[in-house]
Parts: sequence; structure tokens; C-alpha cells
Amino acid sequence: KAGVTQTPRYLIKTRGQQVTLSCSPISGHRSVSWYQQTPGQGLQFLFEYFSETQRNKGNFPGRFSGRQFSNSRSEMNVSTLELGDSALYLCASGSQGSGANVLTFGAGSRLTVL
Amino acid sequence: KNEVEQSPQNLTAQEGEFITINCSYSVGISALHWLQQHPGGGIVSLFMLSSGKKKHGRLIATINIQEKHSSLHITASHPRDSAVYICAAYITQGGSEKLVFGKGTKLTVNP
Repeated sequence: KAGVTQTPRYLIKTRGQQVTLSCSPISGHRSVSWYQQTPGQGLQFLFEYFSETQRNKGNFPGRFSGRQFSNSRSEMNVSTLELGDSALYLCASGSQGSGANVLTFGAGSRLTVL
Repeated sequence: KNEVEQSPQNLTAQEGEFITINCSYSVGISALHWLQQHPGGGIVSLFMLSSGKKKHGRLIATINIQEKHSSLHITASHPRDSAVYICAAYITQGGSEKLVFGKGTKLTVNP
């Protein structure tokens, strides 16, 4: 079956712009979680959606938001981009909305903010 | 102090050696994941544990809930095992859950 699809794979933005990233989970999976990876901070949890509801949220400012659609596809949005938002953004899908969730990761979207 | 600590940060081994990567955490967790990340960024989930031990091929993961400690072992290591290995703990705080990651262990296996 198809894996987790993230689009776009690479993008370049300038400070102050906004960006929307998309994640299509494995068919039948209802949980999508998002992560930011930077060389300095490593991997950090952004938020998790299950059946269109945000279940959990990490410690990121309100400029980072997300949503999940009825077909389980999820988007995350970052507004008023800062240089420090340059990172690899990963999403993962799971069949359950709990910690006991085997995760399948997408290839990531690499964002560069100039 | 990070809630999830990994050691060592870097590990170099010769092909065939037995490898151990350690992960300790400071709070209660509902599950612990071991992940593998190759150059280029792709992450693969190796194991999800909440108790005991799991084995898949040459990889073994154990967890001791009382000691708040988990280990990932690789038997008969091979150059293709070279990657960054990351442990991540599912932590419950204030009624919500979040996945907290260790900083990763960069493993290099030389032929």
C-alpha cells in the first residue's frame, strides 16, 4: 500500500511569508502527527491530529498551526516565517490516536527561509 | 535537562561487532519508540515498546520500566546499519501526550 506522502519536498521562502505543507497518511490511518527537525534542536513534536481533532500540541508558538480533513489528509501552516523556521518538517501516520501507535514517517518537507 | 537522554552520541564499530545504544527517560511514559534515520532524512520506525523485549532480525530492543531505561542492540553489525538511531518516549503531561525525542546516536560501521 502507498506510504505517507508529503508535499512539497523542498521549498524556499523569505522572512515574513507563510507556508503550507501537506501530508497524506497511509490509507485507513486516522492519526497524523507533525515534527520539526533542526541541527540544533533535533526532532521536536509539533502537534497530532486524530479524526480531524487536534489531540496534542507541542511547545511551539501560535504561528504554527495545522488541520486535518475528513479524508485524514493533514496540512500544517507556518505564518510570518522566521529564519529559525528553516528545518525538515516530518509527518507520521498511525492507525490509533494514542501513544501505542506504530508510526510511519513521510520523507519530509525541507523548508529554507531566507 | 532533556526528558529523554541517549548515549553514546557517536559510535564507531567494526563490521561484525555487537552494538548497544542506551536511552533513559526521567518521567512516566506510555510507550517508547526506536527510530532509524539515514542520510537524506528518511525515518523508519524500528520498534515500539511499552514493556519487555522485542526482536526483529539482528535488532533487539529492551525496556525496563522501573529503571526508566531502554536499550537497542544490533548483533553482527554491518556497514548498512550506519545511520542515526533515535529513541522517542511518549510522555503524558497535564492530560496531553507528546513524543519527546533523544538527540540521537550516530552509528558508523566500518567494513
